[in-house]
Amino acid sequence: AQSVSQHNHHVILSEAASLELGCNYSYGGTVNLFWYVQYPGQHLQLLLKYFSGDPLVKGIKGFEAEFIKSKFSFNLRKPSVQWSDTAEYFCAVNSRGGGADGLTFGKGTHLIIQP
Amino acid sequence: KAGVTQTPRYLIKTRGQQVTLSCSPISGHRSVSWYQQTPGQGLQFLFEYFSETQRNKGNFPGRFSGRQFSNSRSEMNVSTLELGDSALYLCASSLAPTSTLNEQFFGPGTRLTVL
Repeated sequence: AQSVSQHNHHVILSEAASLELGCNYSYGGTVNLFWYVQYPGQHLQLLLKYFSGDPLVKGIKGFEAEFIKSKFSFNLRKPSVQWSDTAEYFCAVNSRGGGADGLTFGKGTHLIIQP
Repeated sequence: KAGVTQTPRYLIKTRGQQVTLSCSPISGHRSVSWYQQTPGQGLQFLFEYFSETQRNKGNFPGRFSGRQFSNSRSEMNVSTLELGDSALYLCASSLAPTSTLNEQFFGPGTRLTVL
């Protein structure tokens, strides 16, 4: 079974600091990779996704992520965070094909940005 | 375009009762997935439906069931409720099954409290 590991459960940063949230998955086949964000009181929203092609993907609100196949990693980055980035961030993966549907999520990272 | 809608938004039930949650996907989306979100276990995949057929099911007991109608709307049912079933139940829709190149869009969830 596939699994997703997010290394940091709680992260506190000051505004304008750089952000990197780690995500590793365990699955040997072809995967789709996602980062979702859940702002306080709001529902899950897609930040970015990777299906194939350029391993560096850009998402909304200045976020990007890099897929490193050899490391089974899909880390999320943002060069300069804002107070409004305070939220819960989830990395998710699903296997491509084979009928094994559904996303496997990491436990999430609670990010707090201090003004 | 309207997003994924879930009803009701909040539910309070007692142990032993059963509950039915409803989800209306984005117009044109034929795949609906259900997830359970709890503080301890995070987001866990329940099941996915496409064209009225259950494609895959997560590691949950048989008390959890669902169905999809011809208009793609979906319901999930939990019978003989237990305290541990208290959670936020999320519905997500996509154009096609998640094992293909499709992203899921999430609804606001139904908050179920079991007393």
